[in-house]
Amino acid sequence: QKEVEQNSGPLSVPEGAIASLNCTYSDRGSQSFFWYRQYSGKSPELIMFIYSNGDKEDGRFTAQLNKASQYVSLLIRDSQPSDSATYLCAVRTGTASKLTFGTGTRLQVTL
Amino acid sequence: DTAVSQTPKYLVTQMGNDKSIKCEQNLGHDTMYWYKQDSKKFLKIMFSYNNKELIINETVPNRFSPKSPDKAHLNLHINSLELGDSAVYFCASSRGSGAGRGGYTFGSGTRLTVV
Repeated sequence: QKEVEQNSGPLSVPEGAIASLNCTYSDRGSQSFFWYRQYSGKSPELIMFIYSNGDKEDGRFTAQLNKASQYVSLLIRDSQPSDSATYLCAVRTGTASKLTFGTGTRLQVTL
Repeated sequence: DTAVSQTPKYLVTQMGNDKSIKCEQNLGHDTMYWYKQDSKKFLKIMFSYNNKELIINETVPNRFSPKSPDKAHLNLHINSLELGDSAVYFCASSRGSGAGRGGYTFGSGTRLTVV
């Protein structure tokens, strides 16, 4: 079992719709959870992080964490074509500084 | 001012050669990392240094040797390059030794092609 799993996609949503990106992780001791966006040929950029169960909102983005189910998600409201990118879920476990990444979900927002 | 800068951006070299990639961060972060991103976009950690001390050393061939002369710099030297080393190598940094506060800041990457 991979440590961090994501559906590779592509996930295709129409402009203005809600995009829902999902991630599961295997280590129950995981403490911090991150969502990165990576445009083709560019470096990953941090868009959200969450530590506690529940929802965390930042503009059009909402991160949701359920530690009991070992599940973290990212909702993007009012999706725009500029949101088309690969979204990487990353998890930190223990005191080490290492982030373990999923393979990413490619999102396509269509006009 | 670029926060995490890597050089070179592109590197094309022949099998068997030795090459280096350099990374510098001006964020005042204590911890720096090397990640490898393969053709399937999977990002895998290779090394991490905290204040010049090696703290993470994943299962990486010993042809790869990191060096951190100070906490703002982390270099990666690769000996006897192989075709399978072709990938994008990202440098990253974070505040403290826990990535939990704000995650990483990534450099722009070095695309290494071994021919």
